[in-house]
Formats: sequence, C-alpha cells, structure tokens
Amino acid sequence: SQQGEEDPQALSIQEGENATMNCSYKTSINNLQWYRQNSGRGLVHLILIRSNEREKHSGRLRVTLDTSKKSSSLLITASRAADTASYFCATAGGTSYGKLTFGQGTILTVHP
Amino acid sequence: EAQVTQNPRYLITVTGKKLTVTCSQNMNHEYMSWYRQDPGLGLRQIYYSMNVEVTDKGDVPEGYKVSRKEKRNFPLILESPSPNQTSLYFCASSKGLAGVNEQFFGPGTRLTVL
Repeated sequence: SQQGEEDPQALSIQEGENATMNCSYKTSINNLQWYRQNSGRGLVHLILIRSNEREKHSGRLRVTLDTSKKSSSLLITASRAADTASYFCATAGGTSYGKLTFGQGTILTVHP
Repeated sequence: EAQVTQNPRYLITVTGKKLTVTCSQNMNHEYMSWYRQDPGLGLRQIYYSMNVEVTDKGDVPEGYKVSRKEKRNFPLILESPSPNQTSLYFCASSKGLAGVNEQFFGPGTRLTVL
C-alpha cells in the first residue's frame, strides 16, 4: 500500500527560487527519508529525519516533520538547474524497519 | 568504488520465459532489497533481505522470487514473466535495516515482457 503521498506532483520554478515539496503519510512512522532521482536513474539518499525530530538541515536542504499531521516537507533553497529531478519521501513504520514505502514523488524542474 | 550493480540493464523477453536479474553490492551491506517503479505509482518494494538466508516480502511480491545465498548478491527471479511485470527495477542495499539506514541504489533494469 502507498504510505507517502507527495504534493505537488510537479513543480516548475526559476533558478534561485526556493522549492517546497510535501509528503503525507497514513500510519505512524519511525523515520522518514527523502530521496532524489535523476531521470530514469537510481535514487540517491538526501536526508533521514527521525520521528522525534522536528527539523533537519543538510546544505541547501531543510526537512521538517510534523507527526501530529503525519506530514513532512522538503525545502530546497536557492535552487539550481542541477536540482531538476524527482523527489521521493520514504517511510518505515510500526515494528517493521525492513519495509520501506515510497511516495509517488514530486517532479521538480528548475529553469536556468 | 562503492556501488550496487545490476545486470542486465535492459531486457526484452516474452511471456513465460524465466529470467533472472542479478544484483551485487561491494559494501558488505547486510540489507538488500528490490523495488519496481511504474509511472504514477512510485517505487514499490518487492522483497527484501536482512541477511544471508533471510528474506521477506515487500508490498508486491507476487510473481517474483529471491534468494540470498551470499551477502553480496541478491538475484530477482521471474519464473514465468507476464506483461504486467514490465517495469523499471531497482536493487538497493544498506548497512542495516532500510528504515534507519541510507539506501544505496543500483542503476536500474528496464524490463519489457511481450
């Protein structure tokens, strides 16, 4: 079953602007991860946020987690054309750390 | 170079002809997993393995088999492929369980079943 759902499905911005993508999930989670995928290629891990964390930063990335609303957001600041990719959230919940469930992804296009 | 490799990268086959997609990692990772990616459906987990000889079903295991006889290899077997298994397949590995560890992904295998 699909746990995470990203919003929006597609986002188009100009270089230098900020990009915000949201992820909602249905059941309780232990952790939430964000991944990036360049067209048709393997996914690359961006950041992991634990259920007891509210915010985490990594370079130009800022991730927030609101467990009461079952949602997370990924903010990319000062976007670059090279940030053009699909972004996915992934969750592992309950007692199973082995199963990882991905959302459908947000396609981000950054225009130079 | 630390990596996950998959072979073949592209495969066109016919319904019912058994095939195996290989996956190998050189990072001594305990955990390995297979996903399929379809338009509009994101990635869905097929099977995962937490260690040698330990495998478990993901969300869409029907029609697939796996084995983990060695730590570095985790082949995906389609005993009797059908057209609805046409998809982009990814293998991934991590130091430990997927929920708490960064997953390293292979480059993908694009499978077409006619």
